[in-house]
Amino acid sequence: KQEVTQIPAALSVPEGENLVLNCSFTDSAIYNLQWFRQDPGKGLTSLLLIQSSQREQTSGRLNASLDKSSGRSTLYIAASQPGDSATYLCAVLHNAGNMLTFGGGTRLMVKP
Amino acid sequence: GAGVSQTPSNKVTEKGKYVELRCDPISGHTALYWYRQSLGQGPEFLIYFQGTGAADDSGLPNDRFFAVRPEGSVSTLKIQRTERGDSAVYLCASSVTSGEQFFGPGTRLTVL
Repeated sequence: KQEVTQIPAALSVPEGENLVLNCSFTDSAIYNLQWFRQDPGKGLTSLLLIQSSQREQTSGRLNASLDKSSGRSTLYIAASQPGDSATYLCAVLHNAGNMLTFGGGTRLMVKP
Repeated sequence: GAGVSQTPSNKVTEKGKYVELRCDPISGHTALYWYRQSLGQGPEFLIYFQGTGAADDSGLPNDRFFAVRPEGSVSTLKIQRTERGDSAVYLCASSVTSGEQFFGPGTRLTVL
């Protein structure tokens, strides 16, 4: 059974810092990996999707990497802003099915 | 374009009652997913539709939960004899097959 873990569970940083969020998964047989953002009381917004054959994806200040063989992904946020404060979730799509398995999320607070 | 929509946004019911939650996917998306998210946790898979049929319902917790998608578009998640433990946010997502999943805002269900 696929298990996804996110570390740290919570993170507080001052504005302007570069930061890294970590995601690990136990079964490397994945089809893709998605990073999502969730604001309090809201649904999930897809940030980046990395196919299993890719090593990284970039969107603006966000960069996500994937090392499938070691079961790890990182989300790098450059020059963090208070508006980046949210919960960040990673999720993997299995080869064998179409359900996403989610990590528990990292709650990020960026202080002005 | 219009994203995934879910109604109602909030539902409060009493223990033992029946509830229906509705999801309108993005037009043209053949795949539809239901997830459940408890407070402070990542979403957990419930059921996946490809077209009108349930391709994978392995995440439904018990036979009180049932979902339909009769015309391959709108889906309804039905919960019979609700219990307090059913309280959660129910999220719907849609995608082209095995593609990036796009989530709705969720329905917050509270069972008193």
